[in-house]
Amino acid sequence: DAGVIQSPRHEVTEMGQEVTLRCKPISGHDYLFWYRQTMMRGLELLIYFNNNVPIDDSGMPEDRFSAKMPNASFSTLKIQPSEPRDSAVYFCASSQNPNSNQPQHFGDGTRLSIL
Amino acid sequence: GDSVTQMEGPVTLSEEAFLTINCTYTATGYPSLFWYVQYPGEGLQLLLKATKADDKGSNKGFEATYRKETTSFHLEKGSVQVSDSAVYFCALKDNFNKFYFGSGTKLNVKP
Repeated sequence: DAGVIQSPRHEVTEMGQEVTLRCKPISGHDYLFWYRQTMMRGLELLIYFNNNVPIDDSGMPEDRFSAKMPNASFSTLKIQPSEPRDSAVYFCASSQNPNSNQPQHFGDGTRLSIL
Repeated sequence: GDSVTQMEGPVTLSEEAFLTINCTYTATGYPSLFWYVQYPGEGLQLLLKATKADDKGSNKGFEATYRKETTSFHLEKGSVQVSDSAVYFCALKDNFNKFYFGSGTKLNVKP
């Protein structure tokens, strides 16, 4: 079975550039989560969606960050303009119906470096 | 709000030693509890879970028991292997399907 697919796996770009991270959740999963992982702050939840609708974006650090989920099989996390402090590993995860007590399934992450 | 606290690492053990990684939580309602493992360069993978008080989750020799009275979900393994070296995350899922993760505990197992 295909898991959560993220692209690109690695991105290196200069500060000020727009960065778009992509995620394809597992088919049939109603929930999609975006996380950021750094050494200093650990794993932080940025935003999550239910049935393509953003439910909680309180973890989005600032207006430079935006996330969309135009359909059930695709989501993007965009940073514009990017800054060096945005360098981190960004994970996408998906899960099934909340009443099923199913865990989140994580992608392999996108390692982002802003120079 | 809900939160998870786990012991700081790194934890360094010799092969075949006993492992305990402590995890305590704060939650309203009745959360489900999870342990995830992250190997270098990879995403988090579910290791085990427990959905109600006194449940024991187990997988690959790892165990954790959901203790409501002490709000804990400590991870244990009787005999660790070098291949168990990874970062371990304790997590809870609240009644709104929102997940809260601990800060992670790095485990180094030496031969």
